[in-house]
Order: sequence, then structure tokens, then C-alpha cells
Amino acid sequence: DTGVSQDPRHKITKRGQNVTFRCDPISEHNRLYWYRQTLGQGPEFLTYFQNEAQLEKSRLLSDRFSAERPKGSFSTLEIQRTEQGDSAMYLCASSFSFGSGANVLTFGAGSRLTVL
Amino acid sequence: KQEVTQIPAALSVPEGENLVLNCSFTDSAIYNLQWFRQDPGKGLTSLLLIQSSQREQTSGRLNASLDKSSGRSTLYIAASQPGDSATYLCAVRYGNKLVFGAGTILRVKS
Repeated sequence: DTGVSQDPRHKITKRGQNVTFRCDPISEHNRLYWYRQTLGQGPEFLTYFQNEAQLEKSRLLSDRFSAERPKGSFSTLEIQRTEQGDSAMYLCASSFSFGSGANVLTFGAGSRLTVL
Repeated sequence: KQEVTQIPAALSVPEGENLVLNCSFTDSAIYNLQWFRQDPGKGLTSLLLIQSSQREQTSGRLNASLDKSSGRSTLYIAASQPGDSATYLCAVRYGNKLVFGAGTILRVKS
């Protein structure tokens, strides 16, 4: 296991197109997170899963965004009808959470989206 | 509103200097605080995690402190090296999510 993998690393699309990003977490991790990072800013929380259940969604996640983790393993983040404001780095992270443990997140390298 | 602020936004130092990066947060009801490093175009690498009940953590040349009551954390880097050049992000855990600062861009000149 080489860590959290994200695909594709870079996606260029035209406004109005749909895009999908995939995240493969560390295999024994039960939690998976999506964050968005724009240039010069820190990452912003979008959503997280515990196993296959989506437990929290940010208000940043408009109805054009949908995330799934169907079998509690990999996750997809789909953006429909992309807008130029969606251009950002989309970061996935995973962790193993138990009780009151530290829950240290391991981040992937990110998927950079450019909307023309 | 839970906000995290990092000062300075950018820092340039000669190799060998000791330096301090600052992080402040508005809501002191934190679970823990993490410092991350991010290289250009890359993901985040966790450097240190301090639980809310702890005062500091050390790893090699890095030392992070936490003063929850005043809403502040510092990251101290000793004997800086050009390889330390990166963006350093402070993240505070509230519940099940991390709230990040905008980062400090560090450049260590050889």
C-alpha cells in the first residue's frame, strides 16, 4: 500500500462539462475525506465518509457536486455542469478512526481541475 | 465562525536560521491541531499533531507548541535548510473536520 491515490492528477475541461475524480484510500482506513484547495488558500472541507456512509457535507458542496463511496473502499467525486469557479485542487484524505483516537489524516497528491 | 489565521504569509530566511511560524484560531474548543507541509503542486504531509490536552510535540528539528486558552500555536524550525522550503499549513480539528489556515510560504536560501 503506497498511500492515498487520486486520479486523474490533472483535468482540463470546458465549462458545462461533467468531471469525475477517484480516490483510493489506504486500505485499512475507515474514513475518507474530500477537501478543495484554491490558489493561495488552505484546503476547505467538502465531505467525509465513515465506511460507505456519507456523514457530513459542507455548504460548499452545492447540488452540482456528488460524492460516493459505494463499498466503503474507493470514492468518487463528481462535478456536474462545471463552472470556472470550480477550478481548484481537489484533495482526498483517509484515516483510521476509533473511539477517541488521534485520527491522523493521510492526504493524496490531489486532482487539479481547470475549467476553461 | 471557526477561523484559522497564519502569520506571516511568506518568509524568506538564510540557511541555518531558526524560525517560528504562527497560527491562531478563533474557537478554542479544538480536538487537536496539526501542522502540515505542502510542496508546490503536491498533497499535504503531516509534520506534527498536538492533542488539545498537550502543550507541545517535537520531531527532529521541528517543535510545535499549543496554547489552547489563547488560541495560538507555533511551529519552530531549528537550523533551517533549503529542503525546508515549502508551504506550511496549520489545521485545527473541530469535530470530524479540519479547518486550515492559508499557510506560510517558507523559502530557505542557500
